Amino acid sequence: AQSVTQPDIHITVSEGASLELRCNYSYGATPYLFWYVQSPGQGLQLLLKYFSGDTLVQGIKGFEAEFKRSQSSFNLRKPSVHWSDAAEYFCAVGRSSRDMRFGAGTRLTVKP
Amino acid sequence: AAGVIQSPRHLIKEKRETATLKCYPIPRHDTVYWYQQGPGQDPQFLISFYEKMQSDKGSIPDRFSAQQFSDYHSELNMSSLELGDSALYFCASSGDTLYSYNEQFFGPGTRLTVL
Repeated sequence: AQSVTQPDIHITVSEGASLELRCNYSYGATPYLFWYVQSPGQGLQLLLKYFSGDTLVQGIKGFEAEFKRSQSSFNLRKPSVHWSDAAEYFCAVGRSSRDMRFGAGTRLTVKP
Repeated sequence: AAGVIQSPRHLIKEKRETATLKCYPIPRHDTVYWYQQGPGQDPQFLISFYEKMQSDKGSIPDRFSAQQFSDYHSELNMSSLELGDSALYFCASSGDTLYSYNEQFFGPGTRLTVL
């Protein structure tokens, strides 16, 4: 069965520091992979997605993610975090709505 | 650009009451998805519609029903509300094109509180 694991429930980084949010998945085939960001009380906003091709994906707000098939991972990175990046981040995998699975989320706190 | 619209944004109901949540997809999007996100939980897929027909069904309780109308808006009807139904309900929409397959655009959500 497909599943998504985000090992870090909560991460705190200083503003300007680099960030990496981990995502591991279990899926029978090559999945479609997504990272969403959710600000408090807001809907999910798509940061980036991977369908096929280049395994390093660029997204909005300076985020990028790398698909590593051998590690079943799709980690999200940003070289320099801004205070406005504080939010909840969800990794998702799936090829259809029925098998779309979200991770439990990682809450990012940014210290001044 | 137009986004997914959900109404109401907040709703407070008593136990055993009914509630109706509405979702207006992005123009020209023909697929609507409903998700439930409990406090501190990840979004759980409930149900989806494509061209006014139910396309997929997830963990939607029997007390809930939904439909998509001719103008593509969708309504989620919830009856016999329970305390555990308190959650953020997201609607998402997508257009079935080659380069946006399965890319769902989410609305801001309706926060339902059952007292």
